[in-house]
Amino acid sequence: LAKTTQPISMDSYEGQEVNITCSHNNIATNDYITWYQQFPSQGPRFIIQGYKTKVTNEVASLFIPADRKSSTLSLPRVSLSDTAVYYCLVGDTGKLIFGQGTTLQVKP
Amino acid sequence: DTEVTQTPKHLVMGMTNKKSLKCEQHMGHRAMYWYKQKAKKPPELMFVYSYEKLSINESVPSRFSPECPNSSLLNLHLHALQPEDSALYLCASSQGDLKGTEAFFGQGTRLTVV
Repeated sequence: LAKTTQPISMDSYEGQEVNITCSHNNIATNDYITWYQQFPSQGPRFIIQGYKTKVTNEVASLFIPADRKSSTLSLPRVSLSDTAVYYCLVGDTGKLIFGQGTTLQVKP
Repeated sequence: DTEVTQTPKHLVMGMTNKKSLKCEQHMGHRAMYWYKQKAKKPPELMFVYSYEKLSINESVPSRFSPECPNSSLLNLHLHALQPEDSALYLCASSQGDLKGTEAFFGQGTRLTVV
């Protein structure tokens, strides 16, 4: 399984766009890239998943360059309620292995 | 229904007790997972069941015993736990091998071993 590296923490202000980058240099051909959000004392929640190029849903966008060695989760116009830990996961097997995650703090 | 339901929400048990955590989903998912999460750490995979059979055991001590009675239920039997086993235990389910699909997590059981 590919190892992922993310910033430990990020700060932002309400209304700003937040980009969180994940490095996964050893990504395999069959691997998907998936992002989860977790609030304290709750289970993680799926945000978005992609294989290549760009994926967009109602809450986020995921940008994946051609070499797929990194990916960027983009959260448009964050609010205080987006304060959470964001995890980048890479793999294709029946496992979900979480890295250290990025703690996003949104300030008023 | 896109929920994974875990019971109980909180559990306090002594080191000599036997208890069980329960997880239920009615989404028709064929893969179910147990995770352990310590404070300010990421979830750690413990077990994976695929089509009601144990497919992955991440070298978990035998004091944790998983069981999948049917495709909707997943149990985690606990016996002779240690205080360091205190954590949030999360259950998750997914359609299959996670390619192009998402996993749904329950709210977890907060376990305290005294």
